Amino acid sequence: DAGITQSPRHKVTETGTPVTLRCHQTENHRYMYWYRQDPGHGLRLIHYSYGVKDTDKGEVSDGYSVSRSKTEDFLLTLESATSSQTSVYFCAISQTSGRVQETQYFGPGTRLLVL
Amino acid sequence: GQQLNQSPQSMFIQEGEDVSMNCTSSSIFNTWLWYKQDPGEGPVLLIALYKAGELTSNGRLTAQFGITRKDSFLNISASIPSDVGIYFCAGQLNSNYQLIWGAGTKLIIKP
Repeated sequence: DAGITQSPRHKVTETGTPVTLRCHQTENHRYMYWYRQDPGHGLRLIHYSYGVKDTDKGEVSDGYSVSRSKTEDFLLTLESATSSQTSVYFCAISQTSGRVQETQYFGPGTRLLVL
Repeated sequence: GQQLNQSPQSMFIQEGEDVSMNCTSSSIFNTWLWYKQDPGEGPVLLIALYKAGELTSNGRLTAQFGITRKDSFLNISASIPSDVGIYFCAGQLNSNYQLIWGAGTKLIIKP
């Protein structure tokens, strides 16, 4: 299994509070991703990073920010959590190889409940 | 945004039956990937396809990259209880490194 951990694994928070989720990898992969998964929607990309301090928005980036100060860590922050951000959040990593992206490997997920 | 249409949404099958699912899109993809997700875990890659027309097997699983590059199929032969889970297709467009995901096919084996 790829060395990807996410913390916390479960979190309950209140509307309006800030929340930070952490993804840590030991594979030295260049690309890191944050997805959210909701019933009927599959996986939707929030933000991704293509190197240290290099990030870009995904499909559903509103209300989220990210930071990557080290290759191994990618942080996802909900500045002011809302109930619509209740979801399961997955981190993924990949290495690129020319024009073809290598496989994305996923972490175990973080279940976030915003009350 | 780009979309993948994955069908069926769910399947109820008997143990031992063969299973087929597919993903289609109006866009052309460079890469097709098939993942499986077990409850409480992240998706795990099953098969990766990189060329139009490519047919690749992984044990009882076989996937094909459609020749139009707009679709892909996954077949599971002689299903067993551990095949239960949600199967996702994902495609990579030519323009960037992002993956576009299908909504998933939930496989349930009838007792």
